[in-house]
Amino acid sequence: AQSVTQLGSHVSVSEGALVLLRCNYSSSVPPYLFWYVQYPNQGLQLLLKYTSAATLVKGINGFEAEFKKSETSFHLTKPSAHMSDAAEYFCAVSALSGGSYIPTFGRGTSLIVHP
Amino acid sequence: NAGVMQNPRHLVRRRGQEARLRCSPMKGHSHVYWYRQLPEEGLKFMVYLQKENIIDESGMPKERFSAEFPKEGPSILRIQQVVRGDSAAYFCASSLGGFIMEDTQYFGPGTRLTVL
Repeated sequence: AQSVTQLGSHVSVSEGALVLLRCNYSSSVPPYLFWYVQYPNQGLQLLLKYTSAATLVKGINGFEAEFKKSETSFHLTKPSAHMSDAAEYFCAVSALSGGSYIPTFGRGTSLIVHP
Repeated sequence: NAGVMQNPRHLVRRRGQEARLRCSPMKGHSHVYWYRQLPEEGLKFMVYLQKENIIDESGMPKERFSAEFPKEGPSILRIQQVVRGDSAAYFCASSLGGFIMEDTQYFGPGTRLTVL
């Protein structure tokens, strides 16, 4: 079984400040981890994914995430927030189960960026 | 290259009616997935299909819900006798290689179903 916990349903930062969105996972097998972004009334867009290569993963729009096995975490960061980063962010874990890789999504974190 | 297309974008149904949601995958993609998103929740996997085959429907409710992906045309998610609890956003995703670790799913804009 696998699960994802995103701490904080809302995160508020000032423009130019560090963005940190937390994600902890639970998986009985080596996982594959993803971060997606969802803008209002749109579908999910892949930001980045971890597939057992480098533990520090760089994605689009200046985001990156670090896989820490000892902490079962995959937190998303960005050094300097832009107004355009305001959106909903979802962490997902995918692990082999019954022959398929079925992703499990977190509840999402809404990022609010203040001018 | 057009992305994943879903229609309608918004659908209103009265209790007891049928809802049909359509999904056209990206060009060249033969794997389609349906997800449901309830308010304040993440996406929940429903079903995974390839052309003419249901590969995994472990997330589908046992009754009233069905999905197909015919040889020609879009994938269809069908909900019979809708109830208010079916109100949600339904997302379709497609991929090139199926449910494998390296594959990337591309999502459509979703269909927002409202049951009155």
